[in-house]
Amino acid sequence: DAGVIQSPRHEVTEMGQEVTLRCKPISGHDYLFWYRQTMMRGLELLIYFNNNVPIDDSGMPEDRFSAKMPNASFSTLKIQPSEPRDSAVYFCASSWGPVQEQYFGPGTRLTVT
Amino acid sequence: TQLLEQSPQFLSIQEGENLTVYCNSSSVFSSLQWYRQEPGEGPVLLVTVVTGGEVKKLKRLTFQFGDARKDSSLHITAAQPGDTGLYLCAGAYAGGTSYGKLTFGQGTILTVHP
Repeated sequence: DAGVIQSPRHEVTEMGQEVTLRCKPISGHDYLFWYRQTMMRGLELLIYFNNNVPIDDSGMPEDRFSAKMPNASFSTLKIQPSEPRDSAVYFCASSWGPVQEQYFGPGTRLTVT
Repeated sequence: TQLLEQSPQFLSIQEGENLTVYCNSSSVFSSLQWYRQEPGEGPVLLVTVVTGGEVKKLKRLTFQFGDARKDSSLHITAAQPGDTGLYLCAGAYAGGTSYGKLTFGQGTILTVHP
């Protein structure tokens, strides 16, 4: 199995631009999580899905952030418009069942200038 | 909101030394996981503890779950440079609005010098 796949690995963009991060979870996993990691705030859960349905988006910082999961093998996290404070590493993780081992992707390092 | 406090935040030791990392909460966990993260990669699960008082060993790593299931510790014996990384604890809380998700501690950055 290829594991969780994220793209791009690195993204540098200017303030105000739209950013789309992509994730392909492990086949058969029914939970998908989006996290953001910074030195100041650590690893924060943004949103998670169960069977493609968003369950809890209370961690999404504001309306500029949105996430979709159109099918079991693909999810996107979109930031529009982006701001410098959005600079962080964004991780996607998937698991089989709730609170089971989460398998993380390699992350997308986002820099907003 | 459940808070999970991890300490120490930074640990810099020499090869061969022992160390302990702590993870504490005021709430009861249904289970607790420990992850290790290396630079440029995502966290990788080391162990899951479920039962109060449980002790699990993974080579030189010993994981303990408190009797009341509110705290956990990770002890590394004779640390090696390869143990260097970010160690994260993550708690799962039973039921309520937190069901289905993990709450991560801030992490402990461990550096083991040769």
